[in-house]
Amino acid sequence: DQQVKQNSPSLSVQEGRISILNCDYTNSMFDYFLWYKKYPAEGPTFLISISSIKDKNEDGRFTVFLNKSAKHLSLHIVPSQPGDSAVYFCAAITPGNQFYFGTGTSLTVIP
Amino acid sequence: KAGVTQTPRYLIKTRGQQVTLSCSPISGHRSVSWYQQTPGQGLQFLFEYFSETQRNKGNFPGRFSGRQFSNSRSEMNVSTLELGDSALYLCASSPILSGTGDTQYFGPGTRLTVL
Repeated sequence: DQQVKQNSPSLSVQEGRISILNCDYTNSMFDYFLWYKKYPAEGPTFLISISSIKDKNEDGRFTVFLNKSAKHLSLHIVPSQPGDSAVYFCAAITPGNQFYFGTGTSLTVIP
Repeated sequence: KAGVTQTPRYLIKTRGQQVTLSCSPISGHRSVSWYQQTPGQGLQFLFEYFSETQRNKGNFPGRFSGRQFSNSRSEMNVSTLELGDSALYLCASSPILSGTGDTQYFGPGTRLTVL
């Protein structure tokens, strides 16, 4: 049972435009959410996180939005750069510190 | 500071065999978590070790086991390999138990292929 879902396996965006990556979850007990970025042949690296008590967190070009009523999380990258091309995983954590990851979205930023 | 290292990077086994993967965490980190990554299921949590004790466990069969040594290095063992065990196995280290993700550092993974 996939508790965290990323329904778009891939996304292509022009350089300089906004990239929006989406993530849906089913477990209302999740209290912390994260986005990871993964390049080929490397492990995922932490990108940005948000606590369930917030609805927005910003770090430079990256902003994560949380809509608890819709059980929806999104990552906005503005402006998108070719170096952002990677697979992005969203993850959610339960109060018991169990991690659940989505299946990933492959982002391609076209120069 | 050296990152998380995993050995071997690539492995080919046949069904029914067993395999042991190794993970060396970042120096000073005491928590090691293991994940399985497959195209259809994404990253799935296997288990977490802290101070040589398994603290958290995901929903995987008993064929998947692990251990952690006093130097925090961890090994993961899969017995009686099945074709579906083909995956990228990632380990992540953290200085604290069950970090909030921003304290987790992932290794490059071991690509296991079961024939």
